[in-house]
Amino acid sequence: EDQVTQSPEALRLQEGESSSLNCSYTVSGLRGLFWYRQDPGKGPEFLFTLYSAGEEKEKERLKATLTKKESFLHITAPKPEDSATYLCAVQAKGDTGRRALTFGSGTRLQVQP
Amino acid sequence: DAGVIQSPRHEVTEMGQEVTLRCKPISGHNSLFWYRQTMMRGLELLIYFNNNVPIDDSGMPEDRFSAKMPNASFSTLKIQPSEPRDSAVYFCASSTRATRGGRPGDTQYFGPGTRLTVL
Repeated sequence: EDQVTQSPEALRLQEGESSSLNCSYTVSGLRGLFWYRQDPGKGPEFLFTLYSAGEEKEKERLKATLTKKESFLHITAPKPEDSATYLCAVQAKGDTGRRALTFGSGTRLQVQP
Repeated sequence: DAGVIQSPRHEVTEMGQEVTLRCKPISGHNSLFWYRQTMMRGLELLIYFNNNVPIDDSGMPEDRFSAKMPNASFSTLKIQPSEPRDSAVYFCASSTRATRGGRPGDTQYFGPGTRLTVL
């Protein structure tokens, strides 16, 4: 069974204080690992897809990296508008029956001015 | 593009009543997913369709839940009869196959969700 564990559950940073969020996963063959951002009262918003170990993606202050067992979302010099819950999800290889995503429980990030 | 559209955004009903949630996927997407989000269990897949055909409904909690996709631009999730434990936010997402460097991967785009409260 595919499993995703995110840590920490909650993180409070000062504006400009860089940090990293962790996503550990167990999957029978990784098709893709996805990062989403979710604001209160809204649906998850797609950020990145990573396909293989060693891959990196960047978008503004966010950088996602992937190893064979985990992914990190690095936040450089965060701003208050980066406050949100960040969700990690995996999709397993296989037939079309495995196209659904398995989500972690998320990391609630609060960036204080 | 308008993105994934869900209605209603909020639904309050009494136990035993029928509830119907609606979803319009992004035009051109051929897969549609229904998820449920609660504080206790996070985001969980209920069912997904590929080319309007249900592929995996193993997440549907019980027979009270049913989903249909009569065409490529519309899907419904129905709960009958509803119970207080069904209270949650229900999300619809859609995707299409995408390739990058020869590797396939699906990016799912989520709607705003329907917050359901069953009293």
